[in-house]
Amino acid sequence: DVKVTQSSRYLVKRTGEKVFLECVQDMDHENMFWYRQDPGLGLRLIYFSYDVKMKEKGDIPEGYSVSREKKERFSLILESASTNQTSMYLCASSSGGAGENNEQFFGPGTRLTVL
Amino acid sequence: DAKTTQPPSMDCAEGRAANLPCNHSTISGNEYVYWYRQIHSQGPQYIIHGLKNNETNEMASLIITEDRKSSTLILPHATLRDTAVYYCIVRVATNTDKLIFGTGTRLQVFP
Repeated sequence: DVKVTQSSRYLVKRTGEKVFLECVQDMDHENMFWYRQDPGLGLRLIYFSYDVKMKEKGDIPEGYSVSREKKERFSLILESASTNQTSMYLCASSSGGAGENNEQFFGPGTRLTVL
Repeated sequence: DAKTTQPPSMDCAEGRAANLPCNHSTISGNEYVYWYRQIHSQGPQYIIHGLKNNETNEMASLIITEDRKSSTLILPHATLRDTAVYYCIVRVATNTDKLIFGTGTRLQVFP
């Protein structure tokens, strides 16, 4: 089974701190994604990557950056955390290729609270 | 990618069929319809997808209207474990697999 793991289920940080959220997938997937989920807003795409060292902005990239140095790992970075970044963060991966069913596999999520 | 419209919530009795509608009136010819669901405190999970033919798998059936402007996800015998938020997503099958999630339908299955 595909497994997508995230470094923490719950995280509490202070305003201004630099925050790293780590995601690892074990199925040699090309594509990886970071979403945030907020009540009433659904899932919103922050960044995605379709290859090592490649990244593209999603719908809400402001205040975030990403790093993909290895194929299996995709990191989301909050350079200076703010309270409006309190949210559930979800990582996903997919196999890529121009197929119709590149199902995205999601991790369990990290609930980040910024105080 | 085309926009989708879903009712915010639905109820269904356990053992009955749950029919979840989705409108996608601006869908274009090369866009697929995908369904995902998210059980509380978990990440979303893929259910099924289709282009224009009806599809069935072990989890659900997908019925797409002939004009492709709407679709229905059918859970034939809903169980309590099917209580979740169901997302209907329309997208072109491309290399980057970007999905745009709406707010979905919260399905409550009751005993």
